Amino acid sequence: QKEVEQDPGPLSVPEGAIVSLNCTYSNSAFQYFMWYRQYSRKGPELLMYTYSSGNKEDGRFTAQVDKSSKYISLFIRDSQPSDSATYLCAMRRTGFQKLVFGTGTRLLVSP
Amino acid sequence: DGGITQSPKYLFRKEGQNVTLSCEQNLNHDAMYWYRQDPGQGLRLIYYSQIVNDFQKGDIAEGYSVSREKKESFPLTVTSAQKNPTAFYLCASSREDIQYFGAGTRLSVL
Repeated sequence: QKEVEQDPGPLSVPEGAIVSLNCTYSNSAFQYFMWYRQYSRKGPELLMYTYSSGNKEDGRFTAQVDKSSKYISLFIRDSQPSDSATYLCAMRRTGFQKLVFGTGTRLLVSP
Repeated sequence: DGGITQSPKYLFRKEGQNVTLSCEQNLNHDAMYWYRQDPGQGLRLIYYSQIVNDFQKGDIAEGYSVSREKKESFPLTVTSAQKNPTAFYLCASSREDIQYFGAGTRLSVL
């Protein structure tokens, strides 16, 4: 079993839809959670960063962490065609530099 | 502009050849990383370095080598021992918790 599981998609939605992207994990020691966005043939860019449980909002993006369920989510409101990309979740333990990545979910937002 | 520069963008390797991928950062970050990305497998850690002249193996170090002689530079050599080198290679650097990535090098075998 992988430490981090993420549905590869693709997830296809119409413009303006609310998108929900999710990851589950097995290691309860993970404390730091990140979401990266990666456009085709580019490097990942950090979208959201959260520590421990709770919600964090930044513009159209909201990250949620539910440590009791070992489940993290990224919500995108009013999705745009420019949001079409692969979204990678990543997480790490306190005191460890190493990030563990999900496989990424490919999102397609159609006009 | 501050950032991470990877070169070349595309690289072709012949059978039995060693090739070196360049990674330079001007963010003054201490830690640097190399990842390999294959379709459906996410990012896998090859090597990482937390300070100059020190580096550690990641999850898939076999067939790769690195050096860290300068803070700004962390080149990756894909040796002939790496039998399946075709992949997208990403370099990252970090300050505290957050890793920042370069644009990547796509390596293919001729």
